[in-house]
Amino acid sequence: LAKTTQPISMDSYEGQEVNITCSHNNIATNDYITWYQQFPSQGPRFIIQGYKTKVTNEVASLFIPADRKSSTLSLPRVSLSDTAVYYCLVSGAGSYQLTFGKGTKLSVIP
Amino acid sequence: SAVISQKPSRDICQRGTSLTIQCQVDSQVTMMFWYRQQPGQSLTLIATANQGSEATYESGFVIDKFPISRPNLTFSTLTVSNMSPEDSSIYLCSVVAGQAKNIQYFGAGTRLSVL
Repeated sequence: LAKTTQPISMDSYEGQEVNITCSHNNIATNDYITWYQQFPSQGPRFIIQGYKTKVTNEVASLFIPADRKSSTLSLPRVSLSDTAVYYCLVSGAGSYQLTFGKGTKLSVIP
Repeated sequence: SAVISQKPSRDICQRGTSLTIQCQVDSQVTMMFWYRQQPGQSLTLIATANQGSEATYESGFVIDKFPISRPNLTFSTLTVSNMSPEDSSIYLCSVVAGQAKNIQYFGAGTRLSVL
């Protein structure tokens, strides 16, 4: 399984766009990039998944460059309720196994 | 997606006792998983539970300590046996529900404290 590296923590003010970058230099050809969000006292929640270029949904955007060695989760206009730990995972399309790293603790400041 | 209910949400237990955690899903799923999340840490997979077969345990986890049942496609239990304070963690179940095999949906977890 490809290993991921992401910042341990980030701070942002309310209303700002937040970009969290994840490095996955050893990503395999059939690997997808998936992001989860975890609030205190809750299980991780699936946010977004992508393979290449850009994916957008109602929650976030995911940018993946052509070499796929990194990806950036973009959260538009964050609010206090976006304070959470964000996990970047890399896994094969046919693989059930997920490996969670340490994640990025995002703190949104009023 | 799937809605997953875990019971209990939290418990405080005495050393040497056992606790069974229940995981109920609102739809039939083939794959269910049990994770442990120690305080301030990331998630670690304990085992994979498929209906109709024995659970598959990850390195460092054994059936005698963490027996798992999977009687049908919507339910599973994880028992934490002969507990010690080191077992104090959050225990989470998850499922694959959808076409993507590598997307899992999680319950809210069971916060266990062992005295």
